[in-house]
Amino acid sequence: GQNIDQPTEMTATEGAIVQINCTYQTSGFNGLFWYQQHAGEAPTFLSYNVLDGLEEKGRFSSFLSRSKGYSYLLLKELQMKDSASYLCAVYTNAGKSTFGDGTTLTVKP
Amino acid sequence: ETGVTQTPRHLVMGMTNKKSLKCEQHLGHNAMYWYKQSAKKPLELMFVYSLEERVENNSVPSRFSPECPNSSHLFLHLHTLQPEDSALYLCASSQDRSRPLGNEQFFGPGTRLTVL
Repeated sequence: GQNIDQPTEMTATEGAIVQINCTYQTSGFNGLFWYQQHAGEAPTFLSYNVLDGLEEKGRFSSFLSRSKGYSYLLLKELQMKDSASYLCAVYTNAGKSTFGDGTTLTVKP
Repeated sequence: ETGVTQTPRHLVMGMTNKKSLKCEQHLGHNAMYWYKQSAKKPLELMFVYSLEERVENNSVPSRFSPECPNSSHLFLHLHTLQPEDSALYLCASSQDRSRPLGNEQFFGPGTRLTVL
């Protein structure tokens, strides 16, 4: 089976930096995805990591350590519109993606 | 706009009704998915179709019946549902589920289902 852990809620200030962690235990790990979901809307793809290291995409970066079963999503220069749920999803070599419970981020002025 | 459309956006039905949810993807993807998202619960994968063949069924009750007539269309047929089935039903597609690079999923806007 798979076990994915994320913090339930986080709060940060506009303009700041926030790091959302995701730890996982799975067999046949083959990649990790991050999605953003605004309230009442569908998830949208943010990033994926297959190899160890940092992937940067504008204000958002995602990091993966396969040996530690750990990933984080880093959001810089936070904006109010970044308030949303952030879901990490683990992809296995069986072609299966499993989503974590998500982290609800609230950005305050 | 993600290239995945779902209809209807909202549906209210009684427990004895039969209804269908429709999903269409305009991205040329090979895989399609149905998810259920209840309030304050994680996304629950229900069904996966790859090249029109059902490859995953995650212990979903038989009152939910999927249909994939071609690689662009996916249906979820509903009958004799229960109030606890009220949720947001999301459809997604991905290019190629056999490799991570092609497995990023594009979601439709969802159907908000209420069962009375």
